[in-house]
Amino acid sequence: KAGVTQTPRYLIKTRGQQVTLSCSPISGHRSVSWYQQTPGQGLQFLFEYFSETQRNKGNFPGRFSGRQFSNSRSEMNVSTLELGDSALYLCASSEVTGKVPYEQYFGPGTRLTVT
Amino acid sequence: AQKITQTQPGMFVQEKEAVTLDCTYDTSDPSYGLFWYKQPSSGEMIFLIYQGSYDQQNATEGRYSLNFQKARKSANLVISASQLGDSAMYFCAMREGNYGGSQGNLIFGKGTKLSVKP
Repeated sequence: KAGVTQTPRYLIKTRGQQVTLSCSPISGHRSVSWYQQTPGQGLQFLFEYFSETQRNKGNFPGRFSGRQFSNSRSEMNVSTLELGDSALYLCASSEVTGKVPYEQYFGPGTRLTVT
Repeated sequence: AQKITQTQPGMFVQEKEAVTLDCTYDTSDPSYGLFWYKQPSSGEMIFLIYQGSYDQQNATEGRYSLNFQKARKSANLVISASQLGDSAMYFCAMREGNYGGSQGNLIFGKGTKLSVKP
């Protein structure tokens, strides 16, 4: 099976702009989670989608939003970018069954730089 | 309150030696899972090992083993016979609840940077 893919891998944006990141989960996985990783705050959970519904949400402002499509692909959007949004954004997919309950398979990440 | 604590920001180990990376956690949920991930400089998170709160035995996966001490709320990762390719960031993470809980929400520690010396 192909792994989790994220596009684009690198992105440079200007303050005030908006950005959309894409994640394609492993085939058959219906759950997609997003995480933000920064040197200061570490890895923080953004949200999780399952069967097109947001099932869980972390403590982030409303500028961060996401959605999931019927083929389980997910997008996250950040509006009105701030310098502090510069981070590595990681997407992970998981399935209900398996040896490890809800083991999350991570993508390579999208590195966003806001200038 | 911090739920996952990794007290070692950086560790050095000689190639072929064993190393222990510390992790303590805090939860009041009797059902939880503990994970260790490796993150090389490329950025991708690689799953290493999992321990469920009800598992009777310590988890092992090849050169990785998890020293699970439930009463002390610690879940240390032991890497045996270190290799140069083991140099990376290592993250301990926890998920609370079972299938009916917050399935997608992993809580991560700050990580430990492991450097393997030849």
